[in-house]
Amino acid sequence: QVQLQESGPGLVKPSETLSLTCTVSNYSIRTNYYWAWIRQPPGKGLEWLGSIYRSGTTYYNPSLESRVTMSIDTSNNQFSLKLSSVTAADTAVYYCARIGRVDWNQAYFNYWGQGTLVTVSS
Amino acid sequence: ELVLTQSPVILSLSPGERATLSCRASQSVRSSFLAWYQQKPGQAPRLLIFNASSRAPGIPDRFSGSGSGTDFTLTISRLEPEDFGVYSCQQYGTSPVTFGQGTKVEIK
Repeated sequence: QVQLQESGPGLVKPSETLSLTCTVSNYSIRTNYYWAWIRQPPGKGLEWLGSIYRSGTTYYNPSLESRVTMSIDTSNNQFSLKLSSVTAADTAVYYCARIGRVDWNQAYFNYWGQGTLVTVSS
Repeated sequence: ELVLTQSPVILSLSPGERATLSCRASQSVRSSFLAWYQQKPGQAPRLLIFNASSRAPGIPDRFSGSGSGTDFTLTISRLEPEDFGVYSCQQYGTSPVTFGQGTKVEIK
């Protein structure tokens, strides 16, 4: 069973950079699936942030593209998210997930981490 | 971007009743690339349906999806106590993928 676990600071100051890592267990990140970050502000709907492939190829949501950077570390079976210049509007539960279709950078998500709440506040 | 509107916002039903949830798209969803998720408080979303009508592995057959174009439906034939939660639709036919705001199914 594929398992994903997010880690990183739960509190980030405004204007700083949010950094999260997703560790994948029981499955190699080197296979031909994309890996993604999704977030959910309190009481609101889900928002796809971006996807990354084993090669490092990335696709980002245009609404956040100028602030998002994703990277992948195949040796440690991890991938990461950086979101710069954060504001209170970036307060959300951040999920990492695996995309359910081989070689598709955007599709449905069939494996999810438990999520981590990141609060932006001074 | 493609906007998904779910209705109703809240659905109050009793165990054993039939639940019908709607997801309407602002433009046609290419190839019916639409998924449904269930989410319970403090938990990650769980994939129920993909490609509008295909059940994900391990999902009971009381869950079914239908629709095409701009109108999609998730039906739960007989509600079980564990089915209460928030249900969200998601389209992946147009980039960027987008999600609906969710329908909360609560115990009446």
